[in-house]
Amino acid sequence: GAVVSQHPSRVICKSGTSVKIECRSLDFQATTMFWYRQFPKQSLMLMATSNEGSKATYEQGVEKDKFLINHASLTLSTLTVTSAHPEDSSFYICSARGGLAGAKQSYNEQFFGPGTRLTVL
Amino acid sequence: QKEVEQNSGPLSVPEGAIASLNCTYSDRGSQSFFWYRQYSGKSPELIMFIYSNGDKEDGRFTAQLNKASQYVSLLIRDSQPSDSATYLCAVYPMFSGGYNKLIFGAGTRLAVHP
Repeated sequence: GAVVSQHPSRVICKSGTSVKIECRSLDFQATTMFWYRQFPKQSLMLMATSNEGSKATYEQGVEKDKFLINHASLTLSTLTVTSAHPEDSSFYICSARGGLAGAKQSYNEQFFGPGTRLTVL
Repeated sequence: QKEVEQNSGPLSVPEGAIASLNCTYSDRGSQSFFWYRQYSGKSPELIMFIYSNGDKEDGRFTAQLNKASQYVSLLIRDSQPSDSATYLCAVYPMFSGGYNKLIFGAGTRLAVHP
């Protein structure tokens, strides 16, 4: 399948600081990227959907001013957790969908990055 | 009713057996169906997708789709301990405007014991 990278893989920060997580599609153009959060032993929770060049669509209950998403290009989306607090500690995972005709994946398939484990002290 | 339902498990099978994972969905107009595998502490990995009724085989994996029954399953032949993971069923429902966002089931935990 297609390759999606995330950086950093792990981050520890102090309460009140902001953390930026990058998500890149390495071998295809991602027209749509998704950001998920997963707490231990719980299901994936979709936070927002972002399309290149437009504003992200946030799921109900997700604060858009706290979780800033930018999808500036077809290969890069960023999630910034602003003024992080201990309750924001979680596993953040991006996924990407999209491709050109003849690419090794079709438009429907969604590929996940390896995730970023955030710990807020 | 949840949009995508899976038995949480754990489903325990002996090594070498066939593991059968099941998933039902509520939106009759759904068109695309996916199976992801998630190891503990890792992100999901796409292992199979199926769009048409019937069976689709890829190595030891077979996905089965029955749209009339709104049922999709994943069979894993010759199960190995390395197959022990949580398997997530995901569906694109038509009500969300077609190909918008995947709806995930809560996952079934599979344990393959030697």
